Amino acid sequence: EPEVTQTPSHQVTQMGQEVILRCVPISNHLYFYWYRQILGQKVEFLVSFYNNEISEKSEIFDDQFSVERPDGSNFTLKIRSTKLEDSAMYFCASSGDRGRDDSNQPQHFGDGTRLSIL
Amino acid sequence: AQSVAQPEDQVNVAEGNPLTVKCTYSVSGNPYLFWYVQYPNRGLQFLLKYITGDNLVKGSYGFEAEFNKSQTSFHLKKPSALVSDSALYFCAVRDYARGNTPLVFGKGTRLSVIA
Repeated sequence: EPEVTQTPSHQVTQMGQEVILRCVPISNHLYFYWYRQILGQKVEFLVSFYNNEISEKSEIFDDQFSVERPDGSNFTLKIRSTKLEDSAMYFCASSGDRGRDDSNQPQHFGDGTRLSIL
Repeated sequence: AQSVAQPEDQVNVAEGNPLTVKCTYSVSGNPYLFWYVQYPNRGLQFLLKYITGDNLVKGSYGFEAEFNKSQTSFHLKKPSALVSDSALYFCAVRDYARGNTPLVFGKGTRLSVIA
């Protein structure tokens, strides 16, 4: 069964540094998402991406965050200047087979990148 | 605004006994409801969904969930629990009327199945 893959599995970064988290969504999916899960807390939506642009973003997704689909397969999340409170598990998800309405389709999640800010 | 409540942080059940993990939701329109499971150091795995139709939906690994519109609930159930079912379970909702929107998750319920 096709999977969403995320790299790296664990990223340790100094506060103030830029970090890029990478995701390869399922190949025929059209909708892409980033979520995060701070340790012990709920999964929170960050941003959704469709047709090469952001379709929705949460208040967490401020100017320090950006997303990009640089080629036909990768979907990246960049944090420009990391803060201690950015430490979390970041999950990429994808959904929406070509030609199908996405709203009733489950999102498929990667195993996440654990981001630790020192 | 959409929201999901999972009132129990932890559910303990003996192996072979039935299990229930509770979920209630709030949306302005009609809900699309989902259950996901998370094993240690893994992402969220889709278990089942309710979109429309039969209120009892069946999913992976013998799990099922019952949609109750009057009680705005979508409780996850399994007739006979296995030790391997021990994991973190998340209920999620999206509002049908709003189309392609992000999932809103509950805070999760940790299920421990004891041999």
